[in-house]
Amino acid sequence: DAGITQSPRHKVTETGTPVTLRCHQTENHRYMYWYRQDPGHGLRLIHYSYGVKDTDKGEVSDGYSVSRSKTEDFLLTLESATSSQTSVYFCAISESRGTRETQYFGPGTRLLVL
Amino acid sequence: LAKTTQPISMDSYEGQEVNITCSHNNIATNDYITWYQQFPSQGPRFIIQGYKTKVTNEVASLFIPADRKSSTLSLPRVSLSDTAVYYCLVGDTGGSQGNLIFGKGTKLSVKP
Repeated sequence: DAGITQSPRHKVTETGTPVTLRCHQTENHRYMYWYRQDPGHGLRLIHYSYGVKDTDKGEVSDGYSVSRSKTEDFLLTLESATSSQTSVYFCAISESRGTRETQYFGPGTRLLVL
Repeated sequence: LAKTTQPISMDSYEGQEVNITCSHNNIATNDYITWYQQFPSQGPRFIIQGYKTKVTNEVASLFIPADRKSSTLSLPRVSLSDTAVYYCLVGDTGGSQGNLIFGKGTKLSVKP
């Protein structure tokens, strides 16, 4: 399995509080992604990074920000958590972009916003 | 918008061959077709990828007709452990960055 870890694995927080999720990789892959997965929606891309300090928005980026100060770490921040952000969050990495890319996923973080 | 259409669910029995078909009528010339598998409480896992004709690996086969408007993932002799959600992906060339779009997938249930 690709060397991807996510922390925390589970978190319960209250509406209005900031939350930061961390993704760490040991593969030295250039591209990193944050997805959320909700029942009935499959996986939806939040943000992705194509290098240190290079990030871009995905399909559902509102309410989220990201940062990548090192190749191995990609942080997802919910500035002020809302109940609609209760979800399972997956980080993924890939060596390349384009339709031939293979993404490797982390174990996920379950976030509950009360 | 997802560019693929696949059945929401399928049932099978242990030992049977399972074929999951995915439609991608608007596939672009440079798009590859990729399948992922996801077990409960885990992230998706790459299974197989192809561009045309047939691709086979130790896990599955992928059949792609000449027009490439559909593809079929074939799982030989499934076991209970193959119970999972299977996602078919092609490129999202309509997007600004060529992101892959995960649809809702096909939930395969294998029964004893």
